[in-house]
Amino acid sequence: GESVGLHLPTLSVQEGDNSIINCAYSNSASDYFIWYKQESGKGPQFIIDIRSNMDKRQGQRVTVLLNKTVKHLSLQIAATQPGDSAVYFCAEIGSPSGSARQLTFGSGTQLTVLP
Amino acid sequence: DAGVIQSPRHEVTEMGQEVTLRCKPISGHDYLFWYRQTMMRGLELLIYFNNNVPIDDSGMPEDRFSAKMPNASFSTLKIQPSEPRDSAVYFCASSSPGTLMGQPQHFGDGTRLSIL
Repeated sequence: GESVGLHLPTLSVQEGDNSIINCAYSNSASDYFIWYKQESGKGPQFIIDIRSNMDKRQGQRVTVLLNKTVKHLSLQIAATQPGDSAVYFCAEIGSPSGSARQLTFGSGTQLTVLP
Repeated sequence: DAGVIQSPRHEVTEMGQEVTLRCKPISGHDYLFWYRQTMMRGLELLIYFNNNVPIDDSGMPEDRFSAKMPNASFSTLKIQPSEPRDSAVYFCASSSPGTLMGQPQHFGDGTRLSIL
């Protein structure tokens, strides 16, 4: 079936360096993508989203890139800080699907920021 | 602003017991979602409501699971009888009307459920 998956389960970066977290998706009909951050003991927290008619979107210290040709999504975090340590999930909404509001989550990448 | 509020934060009970998880969505949000998170299966959507009406419950694993939303500010997820394999973190999320596909969803901090 259709799925969203992550390339790397873990990623360690030095504080101050940039981080890149990757995500592959298989549903070519997906037209909306979200990145969530989940800290230990907490629920997923919205970071940034992007629609399929865009290939790049920037937020505060974060950038999401979408490559529809290869069905690949990435999250770039600039100047990574200790507070960025968390599990990062990509999620997608396929269209059409059983419900346009159903998010399909990837398996997550654990980002660890080293001092 | 208060976010999505879930209770209890932790629940430990013996198998066979009834478990009720509670959720208060963000005021004004008209979509409410229940998810389950496990190491093996990740985040799975169980059911979601729009304007207090269940829209899609295809993710509910068994008849032992049921969910209600009696009003716009409260929802429950009930498991009866509970089994050890129901142990997981259960999240509630809500989203506001008029946004793109009802996104993004805002999550509560979850209920960690352990069935012994």
